[in-house]
Amino acid sequence: DAGVIQSPRHEVTEMGQEVTLRCKPISGHDYLFWYRQTMMRGLELLIYFNNNVPIDDSGMPEDRFSAKMPNASFSTLKIQPSEPRDSAVYFCASSLFGGTGETQYFGPGTRLLVL
Amino acid sequence: AQSVAQPEDQVNVAEGNPLTVKCTYSVSGNPYLFWYVQYPNRGLQFLLKYITGDNLVKGSYGFEAEFNKSQTSFHLKKPSALVSDSALYFCAVSVSYNTDKLIFGTGTRLQVFP
Repeated sequence: DAGVIQSPRHEVTEMGQEVTLRCKPISGHDYLFWYRQTMMRGLELLIYFNNNVPIDDSGMPEDRFSAKMPNASFSTLKIQPSEPRDSAVYFCASSLFGGTGETQYFGPGTRLLVL
Repeated sequence: AQSVAQPEDQVNVAEGNPLTVKCTYSVSGNPYLFWYVQYPNRGLQFLLKYITGDNLVKGSYGFEAEFNKSQTSFHLKKPSALVSDSALYFCAVSVSYNTDKLIFGTGTRLQVFP
């Protein structure tokens, strides 16, 4: 298996622009997670899905952020409008099941820079 | 509140020497503990996890971790460090009230010198 796939790997945009990050989970995995990593705040869970349904979006910073999972093999994280403080590395992860002790497998991340 | 702490921002060790990266946790109920490693410009890679059973867990690349319930610790260890082990290491714990979620520590940078 190719693992979790994310695109683009790098994104540079200007403040106010819309940014869309994409993720393809490992085939057969029922859970998908979006994380953000910054120096100041470390690794934060933004939202996660089970069987394409959002379960917990309490980590989404504000209404500018939205995430969708239209099918089992694709998810997007959108920022509109983007701001410089959104600059971070965004990771997608997937797991076969949820619950206790299930291992999450991470993608390579998208490095976002908002100017 | 559920939390995990990595008290050292950086650990330096000479190649061939044993290494320890520390992790302590605070959870309600039984903890489920993980170690991940992140190489530069890469995603996190799973190393090992403790669910139940033997307190000594063996993982990838020769790493192991010891679960200590009385000290609420889950330290990562390796008997002989390699330069290629240099990376950022994260400890994580499953949240007991919602075990789908992981809470990550702040990370410890391991630097192995030749």
